[in-house]
Amino acid sequence: SAVISQKPSRDICQRGTSLTIQCQVDSQVTMMFWYRQQPGQSLTLIATANQGSEATYESGFVIDKFPISRPNLTFSTLTVSNMSPEDSSIYLCSVETVYMETQYFGPGTRLLVL
Amino acid sequence: AQTVTQSQPEMSVQEAETVTLSCTYDTSESDYYLFWYKQPPSRQMILVIRQEAYKQQNATENRFSVNFQKAAKSFSLKISDSQLGDAAMYFCAYRSPVSGGSNYKLTFGKGTLLTVNP
Repeated sequence: SAVISQKPSRDICQRGTSLTIQCQVDSQVTMMFWYRQQPGQSLTLIATANQGSEATYESGFVIDKFPISRPNLTFSTLTVSNMSPEDSSIYLCSVETVYMETQYFGPGTRLLVL
Repeated sequence: AQTVTQSQPEMSVQEAETVTLSCTYDTSESDYYLFWYKQPPSRQMILVIRQEAYKQQNATENRFSVNFQKAAKSFSLKISDSQLGDAAMYFCAYRSPVSGGSNYKLTFGKGTLLTVNP
């Protein structure tokens, strides 16, 4: 499986600000995904990051709030914009290579918004 | 839409004993993938085991095995010889086989918190 890193590992932010989370993979992957895990909850997919095209967002998530970039096959960023305390969550990226049909996760970014 | 249900919010097991975590799912698809992920306190999601729906044979990975009952839409995880390091939140997840767009999406259950007692 791929080695996946995320930066930052955790952060404390003020409401109204934005934070960009990076996800780096040690090998080229077809698909990259961003999930949110609110406190005590399960994981919910925010969007699929497509290389060379717009991200595909799930219902309830919009590009203005969670802009995503995917400049190449090993890197993606997720920005959490205009943050509120409700955005306090763990944000995880995952990757999948075509024909593997299995997602592997990064270590996550723990975000606290005050 | 697919749904995944884990009916046991918490489970406990004695070290070296065996425990089974339950998972049921609802789908109209005939082919799909099922997974168990483990999330220890570090919060890293770790793949435990994977099952393809078209395979009748139950998947095994060392001390971890599944009981896949396709007709009953049941996918339980058995942990044998439980170790202290097995203590974690366990999530069952479903994935459609069709490529493209949100069909890559993993749908997760709410999780089962496993405690291992020494």
